[in-house]
Amino acid sequence: GAGVSQTPSNKVTEKGKYVELRCDPISGHTALYWYRQSLGQGPEFLIYFQGTGAADDSGLPNDRFFAVRPEGSVSTLKIQRTERGDSAVYLCASSLTSGRETDTQYFGPGTRLTVL
Amino acid sequence: KNQVEQSPQSLIILEGKNCTLQCNYTVSPFSNLRWYKQDTGRGPVSLTIMTFSENTKSNGRYTATLDADTKQSSLHITASQLSDSASYICVVSGGGANNLFFGTGTRLTVIP
Repeated sequence: GAGVSQTPSNKVTEKGKYVELRCDPISGHTALYWYRQSLGQGPEFLIYFQGTGAADDSGLPNDRFFAVRPEGSVSTLKIQRTERGDSAVYLCASSLTSGRETDTQYFGPGTRLTVL
Repeated sequence: KNQVEQSPQSLIILEGKNCTLQCNYTVSPFSNLRWYKQDTGRGPVSLTIMTFSENTKSNGRYTATLDADTKQSSLHITASQLSDSASYICVVSGGGANNLFFGTGTRLTVIP
């Protein structure tokens, strides 16, 4: 079956612009996560959805970042007034449930965002 | 402070050789520890997951160990292959699927 997919794979934008990054989780997975990974670093947690609601958005760095998952499947990460420091790979992951702590998270290939 | 530290930062080995990657953590409370393999330009892929009561877990040529007393884990790769070249990330859960602490990874390069 299909894994987690993310679009676009690469996004180049200018400072101050608005961008949207899309994540299609594995069908049937109720939990969805967004991470940000800078070069040479491990992923950094941003936000986690259980169904349609954001169960934990404590990792969002500031109010320029926002994410939605209106139908409990596809999620969109939105970044307003982009800054050069937002340049990173944005990873999305999904898991079957989040009730069990040992649930495996399946990662997408990521979207590489470059802010010029 | 909850931290996950990995060593070495990078490693180059000859094809067919074995290697061991280290992970030390200070995450508390501790729920489970995972090892992921991340190929360049790809998302991480889970290799093993161990809870507090497990001290070893194998997945093919990958064997992970966990010492919850000393808060150390290792990932041993046997008979390395060129396709093992990747970053290996240690991830410790402090409880809850969204409470994960990631190490910075070990970059492994296997050369012929």
